[in-house]
Amino acid sequence: NAGVMQNPRHLVRRRGQEARLRCSPMKGHSHVYWYRQLPEEGLKFMVYLQKENIIDESGMPKERFSAEFPKEGPSILRIQQVVRGDSAAYFCASSPGSGGGQPQHFGDGTRLSIL
Amino acid sequence: QKEVEQNSGPLSVPEGAIASLNCTYSDRGSQSFFWYRQYSGKSPELIMFIYSNGDKEDGRFTAQLNKASQYVSLLIRDSQPSDSATYLCAPQGPGGYQKVTFGTGTKLQVIP
Repeated sequence: NAGVMQNPRHLVRRRGQEARLRCSPMKGHSHVYWYRQLPEEGLKFMVYLQKENIIDESGMPKERFSAEFPKEGPSILRIQQVVRGDSAAYFCASSPGSGGGQPQHFGDGTRLSIL
Repeated sequence: QKEVEQNSGPLSVPEGAIASLNCTYSDRGSQSFFWYRQYSGKSPELIMFIYSNGDKEDGRFTAQLNKASQYVSLLIRDSQPSDSATYLCAPQGPGGYQKVTFGTGTKLQVIP
């Protein structure tokens, strides 16, 4: 009964490199959400995806950030040319649908550190 | 005005007392309300949800909802040191896909 799986748990990158964060939703869930959390701050919505579709990317920075959820495989959050300000915990959540009363279940997160 | 407002705390209560966590929201169309608990350095964990006005009880937790006042609260009875965490209020609104919006959370400290 696997929950939401994120990997890696910790990721260290140097400025200018690319970071790829992966998320496999819970079995039976087809909706994926990505959030960013800075230390001592709240969860900030980034993007909501269904299989092969981006539904809402209103929280995603316009440059350097992209997300996908292909037909096969995990959802990927990609950050190009990382900067120190990208250091944060990135959480993925999934739900079976987006209708009322369907809560999101979170993975353990990826802690991204930029040197 | 923030979409979801919570007192950041910390809220300190003695062990065994009732902890009361409050949340107000701006979207009058919000339909469902979730409470998550987040321990330091961990991911959010769903603990309660409520749809209808009134109270909903689950063990030591009671969620209270008043849609007219746009107010939702979480009561924790017989607080334990293990309840020390940040509690996130998350209303789910109407609209195309009923987006969930998270508050910044209230930090609860239960003093032994």
